[in-house]
Parts: sequence; structure tokens; C-alpha cells
Amino acid sequence: ELKVEQNPLFLSMQEGKNYTIYCNYSTTSDRLYWYRQDPGKSLESLFVLLSNGAVKQEGRLMASLDTKARLSTLHITAAVHDLSATYFCALSSSYSGAGSYQLTFGKGTKLSVIP
Amino acid sequence: DVKVTQSSRYLVKRTGEKVFLECVQDMDHENMFWYRQDPGLGLRLIYFSYDVKMKEKGDIPEGYSVSREKKERFSLILESASTNQTSMYLCASSLSWGRDLTDTQYFGPGTRLTVL
Repeated sequence: ELKVEQNPLFLSMQEGKNYTIYCNYSTTSDRLYWYRQDPGKSLESLFVLLSNGAVKQEGRLMASLDTKARLSTLHITAAVHDLSATYFCALSSSYSGAGSYQLTFGKGTKLSVIP
Repeated sequence: DVKVTQSSRYLVKRTGEKVFLECVQDMDHENMFWYRQDPGLGLRLIYFSYDVKMKEKGDIPEGYSVSREKKERFSLILESASTNQTSMYLCASSLSWGRDLTDTQYFGPGTRLTVL
């Protein structure tokens, strides 16, 4: 059974600081996803990471994947208030023969960036 | 842009009522999913469908059923609503596995269901 563990679950940080959110998982997976959810809103896809060593960056967010360690990180550089949201990592497991797949989500990291 | 819409943003029902939540996507996606989201538990998969009339149980299917009569529409049914089904329900859709390695699941805005 695939298990996904995120930490920390809550993160309060000052504007301008750097921090990292960690996502550990229990079994091999084909893809790792990062999503963002603003309060009262739905989930928005940020990154899809496919292979060991993959790194993707957008703005102040950078995601990386280490499949040997079964670890992904979401690094926040020089945080700004607009980054306040809940961030989820999720891993896929294919449903064989049907072209479908399931996502198993971590519990999410609620990030608050304080001016 | 992919658009996934859900029939209601907020819904209040009474215990024992039959509840229908509707989801429609406009991108010709093969896969559709229903999740519930609860504080401290993250998102949990209820059911998914990889084709019309096809459905598979997710992690927490008890108390729910689904229907997919057309490719673009996926319905979640609570046969007899109970208070422990009060939650945020999120629908998502995606392309078939392997068609695009970078594809992701696209989520609707959610339905906040309260069962009294």
C-alpha cells in the first residue's frame, strides 16, 4: 500500500525567508505531483516530476525528486504573502489494463507567510 | 483550458436523503474521479471511472455509488446520507494513462456538503 507523508503539516514563515517542504513515500511510483490549494478553492497543479533527479521551477517554487530516497522536496525561496496556501504532494499508481491511475495524497502542508 | 464543473458549491441535506453530486468536464478526458477532503485527512479517493459505464472503488467507497452514462459526466450518489458524510467533495478528470506523461488531474471547484 502506497503511503505518502508530508512534513511539516503547518508552516509559518516570514516574508523573504527560505524553507523546504518534504514529501516521503513508501513504494516506487511512476509520477509525483505537487498541488496548491488556496482557502476555499480547489486544487491547482504545480509540478509533475517523472524521473530521478527531476527538478522543476516556477517563480519562487522549486520541486525536486529523489526516487532512490523516495523523497520529493518543494523549496520556497524568498517567500511572499501570495504563497500562503496548502501544498499537497501526490503519487500515482497505475490501474493496470485500463489506462487509468490513482493518486494517493499526502495530508498537505498549510503554509502561512507573515509580512 | 480544461474545465471541470460541479453542480453545486454548497449543499445542505438531511440524514437519510438521497444525494446526487454532478461533475462535468469539457476536455474529452477518459478518467474521472471523486474525492472527499476532510481536515487533517487530506484527499481520499472514493471512486473513479476510466470509461463510460466503467467504475472502480477507491479507498473509501462505503456509503457511495457512482454513475457514468456519458464520457463528460460523472455522478456521485449518497444513497442515504449520514452526518459522517459531511465533507468537501472534489471531482477531477484526466487523460488516459500513458497518453501524456506530464498529464495531471484537473480538479473542479468542490461541493461542500452538510448533512444535518
